[in-house]
Amino acid sequence: SQELEQSPQSLIVQEGKNLTINCTSSKTLYGLYWYKQKYGEGLIFLMMLQKGGEEKSHEKITAKLDEKKQQSSLHITASQPSHAGIYLCGARRLVFGQGTRLTINP
Amino acid sequence: KAGVTQTPRYLIKTRGQQVTLSCSPISGHRSVSWYQQTPGQGLQFLFEYFSETQRNKGNFPGRFSGRQFSNSRSEMNVSTLELGDSALYLCASSYGTGSDQPQHFGDGTRLSIL
Repeated sequence: SQELEQSPQSLIVQEGKNLTINCTSSKTLYGLYWYKQKYGEGLIFLMMLQKGGEEKSHEKITAKLDEKKQQSSLHITASQPSHAGIYLCGARRLVFGQGTRLTINP
Repeated sequence: KAGVTQTPRYLIKTRGQQVTLSCSPISGHRSVSWYQQTPGQGLQFLFEYFSETQRNKGNFPGRFSGRQFSNSRSEMNVSTLELGDSALYLCASSYGTGSDQPQHFGDGTRLSIL
């Protein structure tokens, strides 16, 4: 079965700094989703990447898919307190990583 | 468009009892999936329904069951509750089951077992 490993597991950054979260798959990635979750709430769909080399952006969040490395990265530029939360990657719709807890310090 | 609605939001039960959770998908969505989320195990897939048929099932004991109705609404049932069943139960819906169909999640039902 496919497994997704996210790194780092938690991240604390100062407001305004850039950051990157990685998601590595144990099997070939045919597509990947990124979600954000606020504690105790549901997941909010951010982006879907379907092809190797694909890159998508939403506001200050950019995600890329590297099929050869079986990896996806999520990059946040000039982080803001509103970016705080748990970021999860998902593959094949039903498999998710453990999540990365992001804290933004003012 | 209304999002995915889960009821109730919070539930407290004791060991041995049973519980039923409800999920109303986004209008037009025919696929509903259920997940269990705990701090230690993360987000674990329970089952997926499409057009009233269970399409996929995760690695959970038979105490966990579900169903989907003709209007795509879904219910999940857990019998003989155990302390380890305490978790956030999330429901997600999508138009179909293809890999190009992102799921949209409800806010979950937080189940606490005493």
